[in-house]
Amino acid sequence: KNEVEQSPQNLTAQEGEFITINCSYSVGISALHWLQQHPGGGIVSLFMLSSGKKKHGRLIATINIQEKHSSLHITASHPRDSAVYICAVNTDKLIFGTGTRLQVFP
Amino acid sequence: DAGVIQSPRHEVTEMGQEVTLRCKPISGHDYLFWYRQTMMRGLELLIYFNNNVPIDDSGMPEDRFSAKMPNASFSTLKIQPSEPRDSAVYFCASSLGPGAGEQFFGPGTRLTVL
Repeated sequence: KNEVEQSPQNLTAQEGEFITINCSYSVGISALHWLQQHPGGGIVSLFMLSSGKKKHGRLIATINIQEKHSSLHITASHPRDSAVYICAVNTDKLIFGTGTRLQVFP
Repeated sequence: DAGVIQSPRHEVTEMGQEVTLRCKPISGHDYLFWYRQTMMRGLELLIYFNNNVPIDDSGMPEDRFSAKMPNASFSTLKIQPSEPRDSAVYFCASSLGPGAGEQFFGPGTRLTVL
């Protein structure tokens, strides 16, 4: 069993839809990261959180430490949100989930 | 700051050749990480440095891989001899700390070994 599990693996949506990507982990962590990888390959850090909730524009990330679970939400999705979203947990190093491939159609 | 800089961006080589990938971290960042990304295995940590000292190299696949950080502004990942299964995108990232620091990724080097 992977230490970091993401669901779903693939997700398609219509523009404007509300999107949720889930991440569960089985190890003790100091922080959790959500990363975005665009088709061109570059990786961008979206959030780093260790408790509660963070919001940046249309993106919201939450974490429940007791349940070892995090969610990434995208409100009013747009085709430019199409990317792979990767959850990673920080132990003494980053352990990555396998990613969720999101496609948003106009 | 220009961000994390990696070179080359693309490398095509033949099996058996030596490959050297280079990374310049963000100035002031104490931690540097080398990752490999493949379709089969996703992103994997190969090695990371703190203040130029290798801390954890347990992800380095085998003796053909080696990494150095001679100073705070430069690191190399070397593969000798290269094999087709080494074909992947190699990312370098830097941060102010592994436990609490946000990591900043370079653009990656796409390596193809024929």
